[in-house]
Amino acid sequence: EAQVTQNPRYLITVTGKKLTVTCSQNMNHEYMSWYRQDPGLGLRQIYYSMNVEVTDKGDVPEGYKVSRKEKRNFPLILESPSPNQTSLYFCASRHRGGSYNEQFFGPGTRLTVL
Amino acid sequence: KQEVTQIPAALSVPEGENLVLNCSFTDSAIYNLQWFRQDPGKGLTSLLLIQSSQREQTSGRLNASLDKSSGRSTLYIAASQPGDSATYLCAVRRYGNKLVFGAGTILRVKS
Repeated sequence: EAQVTQNPRYLITVTGKKLTVTCSQNMNHEYMSWYRQDPGLGLRQIYYSMNVEVTDKGDVPEGYKVSRKEKRNFPLILESPSPNQTSLYFCASRHRGGSYNEQFFGPGTRLTVL
Repeated sequence: KQEVTQIPAALSVPEGENLVLNCSFTDSAIYNLQWFRQDPGKGLTSLLLIQSSQREQTSGRLNASLDKSSGRSTLYIAASQPGDSATYLCAVRRYGNKLVFGAGTILRVKS
């Protein structure tokens, strides 16, 4: 089944404790991205990647890191999480290029930073 | 800067009604527009994608239209059912890669 998977689905952590949220897709998509969703602010892009070893900042990159060492994986790293990073996070992917390429989303990771 | 607005913010209708959700965007230089459904606490499910050169797309009881020049899209849901209750999001993709999302319309279909 074609899908985007994220782990963990739920995470409660404390301020300053480094964490990684994994994202993997099995559709051979070149383009992957991370979004966060907050009440009243909607979905905002954090980082995106056009292909392996090519990443760039989205609208709200502060406090986050990403890497793209393999085409299928795009982990989101919070080096020193803070309470304002409590949010619902989504990973997404699609084929690069073409206006017909729809974006697929993972199931989300709900992160709480205490 | 691209801004996407969805009206209404919330909608409650009796089962069986036909309904229209509206999406407007400020910059007509878009690549495509995508409608998503989001159930509470869940991920986003793609419903329809309309390329910038298209006027509408249909899937089952759903029909989405696009008027790029006026910066508007509508999602028409025919014969609504309680299972259609969810948040509906529209997102435009600019000539680049980022999707810009609206805040969503929360739909409740009463049985």
